[in-house]
Amino acid sequence: EIVMTQSPATLSVSPGERATLSCRASQSVSSNLAWYQQKPGQAPRLLIYGASTRATGIPARFSGSGSGTEFTLTISSLQSEDFAVYYCQQYNNWPTFGQGTKVEIK
Amino acid sequence: QITLKESGPTLVKPTQTLTLTCTFSGFSLSTSGVGVGWIRQPPGKALEWLALIYWNDDKRYSPSLKSRLTITKDTSKNQVVLTMTNMDPVDTATYYCAHKVVVAAHFDYWGQGTLVTVSS
Repeated sequence: EIVMTQSPATLSVSPGERATLSCRASQSVSSNLAWYQQKPGQAPRLLIYGASTRATGIPARFSGSGSGTEFTLTISSLQSEDFAVYYCQQYNNWPTFGQGTKVEIK
Repeated sequence: QITLKESGPTLVKPTQTLTLTCTFSGFSLSTSGVGVGWIRQPPGKALEWLALIYWNDDKRYSPSLKSRLTITKDTSKNQVVLTMTNMDPVDTATYYCAHKVVVAAHFDYWGQGTLVTVSS
């Protein structure tokens, strides 16, 4: 099983600042990596797929990068609606998710 | 517009079998390449993938839960059904169904989820 490790567990950021979230795979997943945003009481929302392609309707302040085992989600200037939990997910033989990074208001 | 909605019991007893239904619209499971998956999330914890079924009836299961899971589809009703046997309190979670295409690694549309509590 491919284990996805996200860091940090919690990220405290002020509105307007940049946030950088990391996701590491225990073995190469090529570019088969997606990022989701989840707010309390809501289903996950797809942000990024193919490691770097924004999903439909996702603002340009969200960007993804990386390949192989190291991936990054960057939020260039945090808005109030961006405070949430973010998950990475890979699909090699079967999907596995990271444990999540909570982005909270500093 | 693709939508999915989960339905089923909110409370099950330990050892019972859970049956959840995902009813969807905006796509057909008879269309080549289309799939529906189930993912769950215990309260305050991370997401865990459970099962996937594709248009051609190809089925995939989480290795750790494979012995307890069955996924089926009813194309005429636009439904996917997940059964999980021998429920335990640790299976308490919100269960989501989600749309996927076979060539993609991600789930692009999700249902709102349904909370299932396992308790006697």
